[in-house]
Amino acid sequence: AQTVTQSQPEMSVQEAETVTLSCTYDTSENNYYLFWYKQPPSRQMILVIRQEAYKQQNATENRFSVNFQKAAKSFSLKISDSQLGDTAMYFCAFMKFNTDKLIFGTGTRLQVFP
Amino acid sequence: GAVVSQHPSRVICKSGTSVKIECRSLDFQATTMFWYRQFPKQSLMLMATSNEGSKATYEQGVEKDKFLINHASLTLSTLTVTSAHPEDSSFYICSAARDRGGTPLHFGNGTRLTVT
Repeated sequence: AQTVTQSQPEMSVQEAETVTLSCTYDTSENNYYLFWYKQPPSRQMILVIRQEAYKQQNATENRFSVNFQKAAKSFSLKISDSQLGDTAMYFCAFMKFNTDKLIFGTGTRLQVFP
Repeated sequence: GAVVSQHPSRVICKSGTSVKIECRSLDFQATTMFWYRQFPKQSLMLMATSNEGSKATYEQGVEKDKFLINHASLTLSTLTVTSAHPEDSSFYICSAARDRGGTPLHFGNGTRLTVT
């Protein structure tokens, strides 16, 4: 069975600074997808970024980028130029290839302060 | 705009009654939808996979007779919490994928269930 671990329950960062959220996972699969989702106080799940395991290049989306280390089974999220609106819970998630079933980590609560 | 609609957003019911939650894909057909449960300050736990035209697949530890899932059409899945108890109080979220194969899932806005 796949597991996803987020070792940082809470993180804080000052506005405009950079923060990195950690995620590790365990799987015997070779083909899979990894995601970072943001859940603001509204509880709406918002996709931040997605990575295909077969791609070596790290995914980037504007201020968000990942450091994907397949051998180490690590998938960290870097948020650059943090904004107050980035304050939210962040969930790392794993999806086995050819399924749509997401396995979530326990989440990291990020607080961006002025 | 929202591509997955979940209704109701909030419901309060008395212990022993049943509650139905709807999840609709608004502009695409979804042969598979997923139901998650989220306790306060915790992660989303997959409860079951809703399959159009066939029985739902439940995760280990989820009571299928307690959480009835019906996926009668390609755009609608329902979760019925039967004989609800206070411990069933939680946040329930559905999701669906527009296409198969790892494309991002679209989530409903969730339903906060409170059982008194």
